Amino acid sequence: QQPVQSPQAVILREGEDAVINCSSSKALYSVHWYRQKHGEAPVFLMILLKGGEQKGHDKISASFNEKKQQSSLYLTASQLSYSGTYFCGTDHTGGFKTIFGAGTRLFVKA
Amino acid sequence: GAGVSQSPSNKVTEKGKDVELRCDPISGHTALYWYRQSLGQGLEFLIYFQGNSAPDKSGLPSDRFSAERTGGSVSTLTIQRTQQEDSAVYLCASSLGQGVDGYTFGSGTRLTIV
Repeated sequence: QQPVQSPQAVILREGEDAVINCSSSKALYSVHWYRQKHGEAPVFLMILLKGGEQKGHDKISASFNEKKQQSSLYLTASQLSYSGTYFCGTDHTGGFKTIFGAGTRLFVKA
Repeated sequence: GAGVSQSPSNKVTEKGKDVELRCDPISGHTALYWYRQSLGQGLEFLIYFQGNSAPDKSGLPSDRFSAERTGGSVSTLTIQRTQQEDSAVYLCASSLGQGVDGYTFGSGTRLTIV
């Protein structure tokens, strides 16, 4: 079952914050987050495992709410380099089958 | 190698022909995945291989699609009797174990059926 991402697209000015949400209709084991720039391969940002943890590095962090079956990606003080499409990927069994959402297009302008 | 290598990077083929796409994962990565990305769309799961276990083929869209992984390393995705709807970027990824350090994706093969 494909996770649902929201919003579909967002435009920010440099320095603004953004939140991207990822919801599933099934219990989650893990959530992956990736960023893909146009014409390039997706790049791994972080993974959150069952347990409701929060992770972060630099100004990008994420939370995982097991009870609500959702994860959120937080981008603070956005930079031009944050532009791209963000995908969440969900796994429900602790196995290897990660299903990705349709993506959230983020554009940061100067 | 340092990353996941895919070949060819671009392939244009006539409708009805067969194509083979190759993926060379990161050395030591036990899991290998194939995804398909149509223009402006998300990543559609096709198949994964993990060690010596039977592959999970549940995402293959039809019996025209098949994949194999030889010697736990290189993988080939084969599409027989190609159709125009097969046009997409085919991405391969690999991971160490279950991917707790994430998946590393290759740059993909852009397949165009004419």
